[in-house]
Amino acid sequence: GDSVTQMEGPVTLSEEVFLTINCTYTATGYPSLFWYVQYPGEGLQLLLKATKADDKGSNKGFEATYRKETTSFHLEKGSVQVSDSAVYFCALSDSSGGTSYGKLTFGQGTILTVHP
Amino acid sequence: DGGITQSPKYLFRKEGQNVTLSCEQNLNHDAMYWYRQDPGQGLRLIYYSQIVNDFQKGDIAEGYSVSREKKESFPLTVTSAQKNPTAFYLCASSINRERHEQYFGPGTRLTVT
Repeated sequence: GDSVTQMEGPVTLSEEVFLTINCTYTATGYPSLFWYVQYPGEGLQLLLKATKADDKGSNKGFEATYRKETTSFHLEKGSVQVSDSAVYFCALSDSSGGTSYGKLTFGQGTILTVHP
Repeated sequence: DGGITQSPKYLFRKEGQNVTLSCEQNLNHDAMYWYRQDPGQGLRLIYYSQIVNDFQKGDIAEGYSVSREKKESFPLTVTSAQKNPTAFYLCASSINRERHEQYFGPGTRLTVT
């Protein structure tokens, strides 16, 4: 079945450094890929998405490129801020066309803490 | 403002009692989902519904039940058969099964003692 693997956390960084959170996936067909962010005690917010190979999703300074050849969708930001501290989830959508079409499979989440 | 509401934010129950978690959306979305979140395990799908009066089991449906009598409402009942019900429960919706991005409510934290 489909699966998503994220880099182990927690990740602790200083403000204004470069961020990468790795995400790789296993899926049949051509899934859409997503990054979600969760702040403490809240639900998940969609951060960015990509629907086909070589697409780049971007939002709030975050970027991720859909790489089919390496089955990856790594999240990057050039200069992190304290306010970026949160849990980040990579996810893919079922594209098989069956009854579970559109269902999301999530990675385990990566905790990011940014210090001033 | 359109969105998804879940109530209550915190819920406490005694072991052996059934409890129903509310999820309402005014986004006119066809599909709705329930997830369970435990520390270090990401999100796991409990049930989902792609249309009114129809729903399917997710990966961990045992001990849970749902109904979808109205497009905007998708309540989840945690029954006494669920062995470890204490968790954070998240409801989500998407426009339809073709548009895969899901939008989440704020969650309900259920504690069973």
